[in-house]
Amino acid sequence: TQLLEQSPQFLSIQEGENLTVYCNSSSVFSSLQWYRQEPGEGPVLLVTVVTGGEVKKLKRLTFQFGDARKDSSLHITAAQPGDTGLYLCAGPPLQNAGNMLTFGGGTRLMVKP
Amino acid sequence: NAGVTQTPKFQVLKTGQSMTLQCAQDMNHNSMYWYRQDPGMGLRLIYYSASEGTTDKGEVPNGYNVSRLNKREFSLRLESAAPSQTSVYFCASSRQALTGNTIYFGEGSWLTVV
Repeated sequence: TQLLEQSPQFLSIQEGENLTVYCNSSSVFSSLQWYRQEPGEGPVLLVTVVTGGEVKKLKRLTFQFGDARKDSSLHITAAQPGDTGLYLCAGPPLQNAGNMLTFGGGTRLMVKP
Repeated sequence: NAGVTQTPKFQVLKTGQSMTLQCAQDMNHNSMYWYRQDPGMGLRLIYYSASEGTTDKGEVPNGYNVSRLNKREFSLRLESAAPSQTSVYFCASSRQALTGNTIYFGEGSWLTVV
């Protein structure tokens, strides 16, 4: 069982639709990060959320950190084909003395024109 | 802007063979990492180097060794490759090995062990 569980694992939608991706854990995280990874490339950081209840917006992407800092969500409004990719959440659990990032399994998003 | 460069991009090995994955960063970062990525598993940390001269085990270190050759370079060695090590390997770096620091990833190395 992974420390960070992402859902759904796969999502295929039409251009213009809205979607939400979830990242859940039973552990508390000091912060959570969201990455997007395109085929043949490494993950690229989108955002870091630090405070419980925090909401950050990046154009059509809205990121939220749960009040208890155990979960996060990514909402995309009016998805575009360019949003296609693998979305990963990651964070350093408080129980991890080394402060190393733990990654979720990822959500693979396909946006069809 | 090179960022994090890793080689080779693709490699096929026979079981029992050895190989080294090379990684270099040009951002003057103190910390470097090696991850492996398997379908549905996200990225799992193999080894990391918080600063030049130090290395530590991550989540899945068995079957691997690392060397922090200097501040720029961090290599990953498979002494006796096994099919379970078939994966995509990512090298990464960050300014410090601390919460909140952005981690920059290389483009990945696809390794197949037959």
